[in-house]
Amino acid sequence: DTEVTQTPKHLVMGMTNKKSLKCEQHMGHRAMYWYKQKAKKPPELMFVYSYEKLSINESVPSRFSPECPNSSLLNLHLHALQPEDSALYLCASSQAGQGVHEQYFGPGTRLTVT
Amino acid sequence: GQQLNQSPQSMFIQEGEDVSMNCTSSSIFNTWLWYKQDPGEGPVLLIALYKAGELTSNGRLTAQFGITRKDSFLNISASIPSDVGIYFCAGQLKGGSEKLVFGKGTKLTVNP
Repeated sequence: DTEVTQTPKHLVMGMTNKKSLKCEQHMGHRAMYWYKQKAKKPPELMFVYSYEKLSINESVPSRFSPECPNSSLLNLHLHALQPEDSALYLCASSQAGQGVHEQYFGPGTRLTVT
Repeated sequence: GQQLNQSPQSMFIQEGEDVSMNCTSSSIFNTWLWYKQDPGEGPVLLIALYKAGELTSNGRLTAQFGITRKDSFLNISASIPSDVGIYFCAGQLKGGSEKLVFGKGTKLTVNP
C-alpha cells in the first residue's frame, strides 16, 4: 500500500480564518513533506519532517505552521493567509535518513483564500 | 538553486505514437524519479532509478538513468488517451538530504 491521504480535498478560507490541513500515511515512513503547487508549476518544497522533527523549512512565512504529532500524521496549520497563498497543497512521505528515497504524494488539498 | 532542465515543455501526439522526454542537469544525482500528475491530483510515482546506466520498465513506460548521472529520459510506447497529463522528473542530489529537485514538467496531449 503506497497511499497517502489528505483532508480536506478542497478548502475555502478568508484571510482572517484559522484552518488546518491534515495528512496521514501508514507505510512506516519516517519522513513527511509539505509542498505547495501553483498551476502549471512543479511542486515547491515547504517543510520536511524527519523522525517527527522539523529538518527543513524552506523559508516559509510564519502564517504556515507545520506539526508532526506522530510518525503517521502531518498537519499544516494556516492563519492569516493571503490570496496569493491559494494553491494545491501536497503532502508526501518517504523513508528517512541518508540514501535514496522514493516520495509518495497524497491527492492534495485545493486551497482558495478569499 | 539546483535546476533540472526538462524537455519538451509540451507534446501533442496521436494515439499509438511513442513519446520521449528527458531531464538534464549540470549536477550529479543519486536518484531519478518520474511522476505523472493529472489535473487537480497529486503526482503519482511511475519509475524510480538508482544506478547510473539503469534501464527500468513499467508496462509501456521505460526510463533510464544516464551514465554521467546528470540526465534521465522517459519513453512511453504506443500512447493511449489516458496517458494525458503532466510528467515531472525529480532528482535527489548526490550527498543531498531527502530534498528533491523537480523539472518544470512535460505536458502531454494525446489525440484519439
